[in-house]
Amino acid sequence: AQSVTQLGSHVSVSEGALVLLRCNYSSSVPPYLFWYVQYPNQGLQLLLKYTTGATLVKGINGFEAEFKKSETSFHLTKPSAHMSDAAEYFCAVSVSGGYNKLIFGAGTRLAVHP
Amino acid sequence: GAGVSQSPSNKVTEKGKDVELRCDPISGHTALYWYRQSLGQGLEFLIYFQGNSAPDKSGLPSDRFSAERTGGSVSTLTIQRTQQEDSAVYLCASSLGEYGPRNSPLHFGNGTRLTVT
Repeated sequence: AQSVTQLGSHVSVSEGALVLLRCNYSSSVPPYLFWYVQYPNQGLQLLLKYTTGATLVKGINGFEAEFKKSETSFHLTKPSAHMSDAAEYFCAVSVSGGYNKLIFGAGTRLAVHP
Repeated sequence: GAGVSQSPSNKVTEKGKDVELRCDPISGHTALYWYRQSLGQGLEFLIYFQGNSAPDKSGLPSDRFSAERTGGSVSTLTIQRTQQEDSAVYLCASSLGEYGPRNSPLHFGNGTRLTVT
């Protein structure tokens, strides 16, 4: 069965600092990996995804993530945090072969302080 | 509206009562999902509808939970004899459905916050 573990339910960074949100997955077949973001009082929206091909994927708002099969990881990074990045971030996995269910992690709430 | 619409946005009910939560997906989206978000928990998959296929009900936590999707559009999630542990935010999402989430991102509604007293 597929699962996702997000290390750290809360992360706090200073404005301008590196953002690193950790995600490890478990899957017996090649996974598709996603990061979704939930801004305050808004619905979840797709930030970026890895399906096949290049293992470094870029998303909206300057975020990127790297798929590392050997480490079963898909960590989310951004070189310089903005106040507007404060949100809850969810990592998710879906298996290849057309299966449609997304398995989400518990989420990481990112706080950005001046 | 262009997004997924859920109603009500908040629902407070007494233990033992039945509740119905509604989801209006984006027009043309054939796939519809229900998730539950509890405090400190991730998004827990409940049920998935795709076109006219039989729904994937594998995430429903008990037989008190059921969902239907009429005419391939609006969906209703029903919880019978509510319990306090049912308190959570219930999220609905829709997508175009072709080839699953890898090609068609999920579009989420703002959710229904259910409180069982």
